[in-house]
Amino acid sequence: QKEVEQNSGPLSVPEGAIASLNCTYSDRGSQSFFWYRQYSGKSPELIMFIYSNGDKEDGRFTAQLNKASQYVSLLIRDSQPSDSATYLCAVNKGSGGSYIPTFGRGTSLIVHP
Amino acid sequence: EPEVTQTPSHQVTQMGQEVILRCVPISNHLYFYWYRQILGQKVEFLVSFYNNEISEKSEIFDDQFSVERPDGSNFTLKIRSTKLEDSAMYFCASSYNSPISRRAETQYFGPGTRLLVL
Repeated sequence: QKEVEQNSGPLSVPEGAIASLNCTYSDRGSQSFFWYRQYSGKSPELIMFIYSNGDKEDGRFTAQLNKASQYVSLLIRDSQPSDSATYLCAVNKGSGGSYIPTFGRGTSLIVHP
Repeated sequence: EPEVTQTPSHQVTQMGQEVILRCVPISNHLYFYWYRQILGQKVEFLVSFYNNEISEKSEIFDDQFSVERPDGSNFTLKIRSTKLEDSAMYFCASSYNSPISRRAETQYFGPGTRLLVL
């Protein structure tokens, strides 16, 4: 069974620090990896997606993928209180035209002033 | 900015009743999705829809569920005979590109419908 694991947290960081969120997955055939942000009571919002090993940067966010170790991480630089939310990792096998993402339970991030 | 809308925002129903959850995807989007999230649990994929037919569905999406695009704007999820365990937040999402394409795969989520089955 496909599993996506995240530490539920909360991860607490001071404003301006780097927040590091991690996700591991069990299906070695996974192809696509997504990070979503979900504020309490709201819908998920896609932050980044990554397919290839290495880093992908977008503004204050960097996604890192290591397929050999089966983990994907999200770094948030210069964390702001508005970044406080639950961050969901989602993984898709993506082979043969399939798109059925498996989500982790999310990591709660608290950025305190 | 265009957005996905969902109605109703909250729905309370009796076990065994049928419910229809409605979504209006972003107008030029081609791919539509339903997800659910039981309170405190993971987001779970239910179904994807393209070109007026189901593209893929998860194990959760059994015979009690159906989807339809009855006109050019609405996308609906029907639960035929609701069970207590169907209580959850149901999110609709849409995207312009195929979810397996490697171009901007952003799916835009609606605000959700909170379904409570009593």
